[in-house]
Amino acid sequence: DVKVTQSSRYLVKRTGEKVFLECVQDMDHENMFWYRQDPGLGLRLIYFSYDVKMKEKGDIPEGYSVSREKKERFSLILESASTNQTSMYLCASSLGGQTSNEQFFGPGTRLTVL
Amino acid sequence: AQSVTQLDSQVPVFEEAPVELRCNYSSSVSVYLFWYVQYPNQGLQLLLKYLSGSTLVKGINGFEAEFNKSQTSFHLRKPSVHISDTAEYFCAPTGSGGYQKVTFGTGTKLQVIP
Repeated sequence: DVKVTQSSRYLVKRTGEKVFLECVQDMDHENMFWYRQDPGLGLRLIYFSYDVKMKEKGDIPEGYSVSREKKERFSLILESASTNQTSMYLCASSLGGQTSNEQFFGPGTRLTVL
Repeated sequence: AQSVTQLDSQVPVFEEAPVELRCNYSSSVSVYLFWYVQYPNQGLQLLLKYLSGSTLVKGINGFEAEFNKSQTSFHLRKPSVHISDTAEYFCAPTGSGGYQKVTFGTGTKLQVIP
């Protein structure tokens, strides 16, 4: 069974802290994605990666960075967490190449920044 | 870039009644179209997708969707809903040809009433 796992389901951090969200997939997928999900706004793409050490900005990259040192792992970093980054964060992966490939999602990390 | 409109943010429907969740997209190029479902406290999973061929696409759990190019719509339907269909549904178009970003709609919450 294919799987995307995220390091935490719930996380509470303080303003100004550095936050790491980890995502691992076991499907040997080339593409990996980080989204944030907010009520009424749907999913918004933060960053994606189509290969190891490669990254592309999505629609809302400000305040975030990413790291992909290994094919199976994609990390989202909040350099200095702020309250407006309180949200649900979803990681996804897909096969490389065509956009017709479906994305497989992790269960999400609900981050609260106090 | 695609844009997508899900006209209804919430749809209440009685159990065993039919339902239609509406999705319209804007595009002047070929598109692939996806519907994803998110059950409570879970990540998203693929419900169905249209790539080419027959405009009527069947997915999991008895759902189907019809691609209408002239109306740029991809409405999701089910003839008889169950309590277990209570979830949030996301329409997601993307362009074809190489890798292009998937754009997620704002979601429609389907509430099935016993």
